[in-house]
Amino acid sequence: DTAVSQTPKYLVTQMGNDKSIKCEQNLGHDTMYWYKQDSKKFLKIMFSYNNKELIINETVPNRFSPKSPDKAHLNLHINSLELGDSAVYFCASSPQPGTTYNEQFFGPGTRLTVL
Amino acid sequence: DQQVKQNSPSLSVQEGRISILNCDYTNSMFDYFLWYKKYPAEGPTFLISISSIKDKNEDGRFTVFLNKSAKHLSLHIVPSQPGDSAVYFCAASVEGGKLIFGQGTELSVKP
Repeated sequence: DTAVSQTPKYLVTQMGNDKSIKCEQNLGHDTMYWYKQDSKKFLKIMFSYNNKELIINETVPNRFSPKSPDKAHLNLHINSLELGDSAVYFCASSPQPGTTYNEQFFGPGTRLTVL
Repeated sequence: DQQVKQNSPSLSVQEGRISILNCDYTNSMFDYFLWYKKYPAEGPTFLISISSIKDKNEDGRFTVFLNKSAKHLSLHIVPSQPGDSAVYFCAASVEGGKLIFGQGTELSVKP
């Protein structure tokens, strides 16, 4: 009974394509996040949504667009993929938005490879 | 400009001994710190946290120490077990829900 799930687990695609990664959480949390782990292993936040509303938007190219149809889902759409987008993308959720103590629950990650 | 740093990319420890993982930070305004553990091909899982008003938090074999004056925290695992072999990430929690992660330390516990 997976708490935070992501699909697909692996995604290989050509430069210039548009792709989406889906994320779902069944924890009843209000806040969801997308993180990127690059080749140097740094985990960096990209976006966060609280109850379908965008609350964090780091300096991410506007080719990346999160979409939250409901508070249990936060999908990531990427347009015009570039080689530098190759990374592992993690979705996460947390029960307490806007507070400093913030235990987040992570999905298994999606490894995106752009050729 | 890395606000949370883990300067040791790897650590190897014998089973039964103590593992000490270190983390330094630059922003004295951080309120909470968390440690996450990550196995290959899985997402990070929460391990233990500490508030900036405390200097120690213990949970079973895991203890986190915070030295605010030095802007340093450490995770102690005693005794270390082979199943503890993983990458450990230190993270600082800031207002708005953002976690700022260090680059991770890969722990290998040898039987």
